[in-house]
Amino acid sequence: AQTVTQSQPEMSVQEAETVTLSCTYDTSESDYYLFWYKQPPSRQMILVIRQEAYKQQNATENRFSVNFQKAAKSFSLKISDSQLGDAAMYFCAYRPFGTGTASKLTFGTGTRLQVTL
Amino acid sequence: DAGVIQSPRHEVTEMGQEVTLRCKPISGHNSLFWYRQTMMRGLELLIYFNNNVPIDDSGMPEDRFSAKMPNASFSTLKIQPSEPRDSAVYFCASSPGTEYYGYTFGSGTRLTVV
Repeated sequence: AQTVTQSQPEMSVQEAETVTLSCTYDTSESDYYLFWYKQPPSRQMILVIRQEAYKQQNATENRFSVNFQKAAKSFSLKISDSQLGDAAMYFCAYRPFGTGTASKLTFGTGTRLQVTL
Repeated sequence: DAGVIQSPRHEVTEMGQEVTLRCKPISGHNSLFWYRQTMMRGLELLIYFNNNVPIDDSGMPEDRFSAKMPNASFSTLKIQPSEPRDSAVYFCASSPGTEYYGYTFGSGTRLTVV
């Protein structure tokens, strides 16, 4: 079974600084997708960024970028120029390629990010 | 598109009562997922449907929980009878047929059983 591990329950960053959230996963599959979701206090789950495992290039979405290391099964999220609105719970998630029983997302336990002035 | 719509947003009920949570997925999405979120257990997948057919219900905690998807635009999660330990936020999410897109989540229903 696939597992996703987020070893940092809480992180803190000053406004305008950069922070990196860690995620590792375990899988025997070669094709899969990885995601980062943000859950602010409103509790809405928001997709931040996705990475296809077959792509070597790291995904980037504005201030958010990932460091995808397939051999190490590592998928970290970097937030640049942190803003107060980035304060939230961040979940790493894994989804294998395929349909039917393979299509479900497996989530990590989350990292709570605080942004300070 | 209005996104995934869940109702109610909050539900407070007494132990032993029946609770029904509702979800309307995004039109055209053929997979629907029910998750439960608690502080202790995080996000747990309860059940998911593909083309209205239940594919995996191994996460449903007990026979008190049941889920249906009578058509492509509506799903329910029912708890009967409810217990205080069922208190949690219940999310519905939908996804199109390709895994690239991840899920789109609803706003969740916060259930409190007293």
